[in-house]
Amino acid sequence: QSVLSQPPSASETPGQRVTISCSGSSSNIGLNSVNWYQQLPGTAPKLLIYSNNQRPSGVPDRFSGSKSGTSASLAISGLQSEDEADYYCATWDDSLNGFWVFGGGTKLTVL
Amino acid sequence: EVQLLESGGGLVQPGGSLRLSCAVSGVTFSSQWMHWVRQAPGKGLMWVSRISGDGTNIKYADSVKGRFTISRDNAKNTLYLQMSSLRVEDTAVYYCAANGGMGYWGQGTLVTVSS
Repeated sequence: QSVLSQPPSASETPGQRVTISCSGSSSNIGLNSVNWYQQLPGTAPKLLIYSNNQRPSGVPDRFSGSKSGTSASLAISGLQSEDEADYYCATWDDSLNGFWVFGGGTKLTVL
Repeated sequence: EVQLLESGGGLVQPGGSLRLSCAVSGVTFSSQWMHWVRQAPGKGLMWVSRISGDGTNIKYADSVKGRFTISRDNAKNTLYLQMSSLRVEDTAVYYCAANGGMGYWGQGTLVTVSS
C-alpha cells in the first residue's frame, strides 16, 4: 500500500485528454512539491514534471501538472500511442525522519 | 549528456551481501544529491536511500535501514549501495538517480536474492 494513491489504470483514445490523480496527505503533498515520472515498457523511469508543474527540457507541452492541497494531477492532452506507459507521482514526506515516497503507479493504455 | 551507469547486481543467497556502484558523468557529481530507487518484478517504484553532495546528509527507507549503506566517492564520481542481510523481498532492479528531484536515471541493475 503506497503512501500516495494513484488509480492503477487509465485509458483513452488517441488525440484525447487524460488525467491521472495522485492523493497524499498533509505530511507529503500538503507540504512539498510533486514530481511525475514516465516509465515506458522495459526502460528506466524518466522525469516528466517537477515542482508540481514544471517540464524539463524536451518534454512536450502536452504534459502538464498541477497540485491542490494534498492532491496532484498529471494531464496529458493530444494522446499519442507512444504515451502508453506507467506514470508515477512522487514527493518528500516529512513524517518520521523524512523519506521520498512514490505513488503506486498508473498504467496508461492508449486505445 | 548526463549518464549514470549501475553495476554490481547479480544473484545472492538470502543473508548475503552485495555492493552496487553507479558511475556518473556529464554533471558536477559532487554537487548532486543522489538516490537509489528499486523496482521489484512487476511492481512499482520504491525509494531506497538518498545522500547529499558532500555525503553528510543521508536518509533510508525503513525497510532497508540498518542493512543498507549508501556512500559516495566524489573523486571517482561514483555512488555506492552496500547491501547486507539481503532478503528475498529485496529482489529488484536497482536504479541510481541524480539530483534532488531524481531528474536523471541510470538503466538499472538486477539484484536477485534466492537460494
